[in-house]
This record gives sequence, C-alpha cells and structure tokens, in this order.
Amino acid sequence: AQSVAQPEDQVNVAEGNPLTVKCTYSVSGNPYLFWYVQYPNRGLQFLLKYITGDNLVKGSYGFEAEFNKSQTSFHLKKPSALVSDSALYFCAVRDGGNYGQNFVFGPGTRLSVLP
Amino acid sequence: NAGVMQNPRHLVRRRGQEARLRCSPMKGHSHVYWYRQLPEEGLKFMVYLQKENIIDESGMPKERFSAEFPKEGPSILRIQQVVRGDSAAYFCASSLERTGEAFFGQGTRLTVV
Repeated sequence: AQSVAQPEDQVNVAEGNPLTVKCTYSVSGNPYLFWYVQYPNRGLQFLLKYITGDNLVKGSYGFEAEFNKSQTSFHLKKPSALVSDSALYFCAVRDGGNYGQNFVFGPGTRLSVLP
Repeated sequence: NAGVMQNPRHLVRRRGQEARLRCSPMKGHSHVYWYRQLPEEGLKFMVYLQKENIIDESGMPKERFSAEFPKEGPSILRIQQVVRGDSAAYFCASSLERTGEAFFGQGTRLTVV
C-alpha cells in the first residue's frame, strides 16, 4: 500500500527567504507525485506533478519540486517566499503500476510566511 | 471549462436524516474521487469511481455510506441516518486519466445537529 509522510506539521519562514516543505513517500510501483495547496475554507489547488522525466518539476506560483528516487522524497521549494504563500500544503502519491489505486495524501504541512 | 462543481456548499441535517452530496466533474473527466476532511486535519480517502463503476471504496464506512457515478449526471455521495460524527467537509475531485492531476471542488460542509 502507498503512503505519504510530511514530517513537519508547521513550517515558518520569513518573507523573501527560500522555503522547503518536505515529503517522503512509499509506493510499490512507479510513483506519480503531486503537490496541492489549500487556503482556508477552500478546496485543494493543484501546484505541480511528477510522472516521469526531469527530476526537477516547475509548477504554479513559482513553486518547484525535486523528485529523488533514492531518498523517496519529493520536497516542495520556492526561492523567495511571499506572505500570500501562507496556507496548508499537501503532498500526494499514486501508484502508477496499479490501475485501481487512488490518490493518497499526506497529513499536510501548514506554511506560515512572516512579513 | 468549468471546474469541479459541488453542491450544496453547506448542508445542515438533523441526526437520522439523509445527506446527499453532488459532484459534477470537469468536462470530459471520467474519474471521480471523494475525500473527507475534518477541521485542521488531512484528507481521508473515501471512494474512487469511474463512470458507472466503483474502483475502490476501501475508505468508505460499510454502513450508511454509498456512492455512485452514473452514466449521465453527477456523482452522488449519500449518507443515510446521519450522526454528529459525520460533520465534516466532503471534497470531490476528478481527473481526466490516471496519470493526470486531480482537480478539486470547493467542498460541501456538512453539519449534523
């Protein structure tokens, strides 16, 4: 069975500094990896995905993520954080080798960007 | 192209009543997923459907809960005889294909009084 871990419940960073939100995964087949952001009382918004190809994936709002197969990680990064990036971030994985598998989400990491 | 539409946005039910949550996926999407979220918590998978088929319902309670995605019309998540513990936000998502990202609706916030 697949699983996702987000080891930090909360990440605080000063505006203008780089940010990293960590994600590690476990899946038996090929991992399909995703990052989503959730603002208060809203649904999840898709940020980026890794299916195959380059390990560095660029997404919306200046976010990027690096797929590391040996470390089974898919950390979300941004070179310069904005106060408006403050939100709840979810990492998700899907087993590409198993047709019936759905998206499994991590517990979420709350990002606070301080002015 | 409209996004994933969920209705109602807010639903209040008394204990013992039925709650019916609707989800219209994005145009052309045949994969639908339902998740439940409690305040300040993550998303708990409930059910994965493809047109007229339930692919995975391992996250859905065996009693009182059911889901369908008919050939025509929206996907429906039905909760019979609701209890206070059913109060949560229920999110629907859809994807075009298995390798694609899922797009989420705004959710239905169910309150059982």
